[in-house]
Amino acid sequence: DIQMTQSPSTLSVSVGDRVTITCRASQSISNWVAWYQQKPGKAPKLLIYKASSLESGVPSRFSGSGSGTEFTLTISSLQPDDYATYYCQQYNNYLITFGQGTRLEI
Amino acid sequence: QVQLAESGGGVVQPGRSLRLSCTVSGFSLNTYGMHWVRQSPGKGLEWVAVMSPDGTASYYADPVKGRFTISRDSSKNRIYLQMHSLTAADTSVYYCARDRHYDDNGSTVIDFWGQGTLVSVSS
Repeated sequence: DIQMTQSPSTLSVSVGDRVTITCRASQSISNWVAWYQQKPGKAPKLLIYKASSLESGVPSRFSGSGSGTEFTLTISSLQPDDYATYYCQQYNNYLITFGQGTRLEI
Repeated sequence: QVQLAESGGGVVQPGRSLRLSCTVSGFSLNTYGMHWVRQSPGKGLEWVAVMSPDGTASYYADPVKGRFTISRDSSKNRIYLQMHSLTAADTSVYYCARDRHYDDNGSTVIDFWGQGTLVSVSS
């Protein structure tokens, strides 16, 4: 199975900060990576798919990059609504896996 | 609009069984692959299982393989997760979720999620 190692697990940030979260796959997965945002008590929300494609309705301050085994989610200027936990997900085959999550805290 | 609603969660003793249901609306189960994803309290997301749109194929995460079974009843717009030999490690919120483009190449991204149902395994 493909493992996704996400870092950091927690990130202390402030409004306006540029935020970068990284995921590393245990083997090459081309660009088959998605990113989700989850707020407490809610289901996750899709932000990015195919490593860098922005989901409809998601603010343009969110962007994704990477291919092969290294992937990055970037928030260009953090907004108050962005305080949440973020997960990467690989979909290289039938079995999907998530990263461990990155919680943004004040 | 697309909606997914899980039910069937609750408190169950270790070693016992439980069946979760997910009723969907706004789309056909014959068109989309469907996942179960779980989340232990305060922990991250863990993929559990997926079923193909035609219902002929299913795949499982190693921790649940041989104990959990995903199935569906398209006429009722429902998918199920039958869980056996439950342990404390299975305590989680269980989400059903729709795969956007599941095809012969495999699973893809999840574009819609239910609200989740909590399963607590405790004596």
